[in-house]
Amino acid sequence: EAGVAQSPRYKIIEKRQSVAFWCNPISGHATLYWYQQILGQGPKLLIQFQNNGVVDDSQLPKDRFSAERLKGVDSTLKIQPAKLEDSAVYLCASSFGGSDTQYFGPGTRLTVL
Amino acid sequence: GQQLNQSPQSMFIQEGEDVSMNCTSSSIFNTWLWYKQDPGEGPVLLIALYKAGELTSNGRLTAQFGITRKDSFLNISASIPSDVGIYFCAVNQGGSEKLVFGKGTKLTVNP
Repeated sequence: EAGVAQSPRYKIIEKRQSVAFWCNPISGHATLYWYQQILGQGPKLLIQFQNNGVVDDSQLPKDRFSAERLKGVDSTLKIQPAKLEDSAVYLCASSFGGSDTQYFGPGTRLTVL
Repeated sequence: GQQLNQSPQSMFIQEGEDVSMNCTSSSIFNTWLWYKQDPGEGPVLLIALYKAGELTSNGRLTAQFGITRKDSFLNISASIPSDVGIYFCAVNQGGSEKLVFGKGTKLTVNP
């Protein structure tokens, strides 16, 4: 069974530029999560989708971050404009829903210069 | 937000040694999870604990859910080089699927 796919794996941009990350969850998983992992920290949840609806976006900096999951399958996370402190690994995870087991993708490492 | 305190922050051990790490919280949780993250990869679930006092094993790994429901520990026996990585504890917050992670314990195993 294919795991959670993410792209790109690495991205380097300058501050104030825009960037987008893509995630394709495990087939059949209704719940999709985006996490931010700053170096030396554990992952922090940014947003959770159930199918194409947002369940929790309380920790998403909505002035610059946006995410969508229009067809309830794959998802994109966008940052516009990026700041230096956005440098981190952005992890996507999925689960069946109502389950504790979240399966993580390999992440996208973002460097903002 | 809720903070999980993981210790130690890092460990350097010899191959074959046993390892113990723990995670504490000031709040009560009904689920404790342990994840491992290899370099350049996402975290992978190792063990899930759902009942206070529960002791669960997965191969050379053993984890326990504290009686007070405010802590958990993870033991690795007879460590091998592939045990290298960062180990995170995590809890479900608010009875939802939202996970809160500790800061991790970085394990280095010298052959």
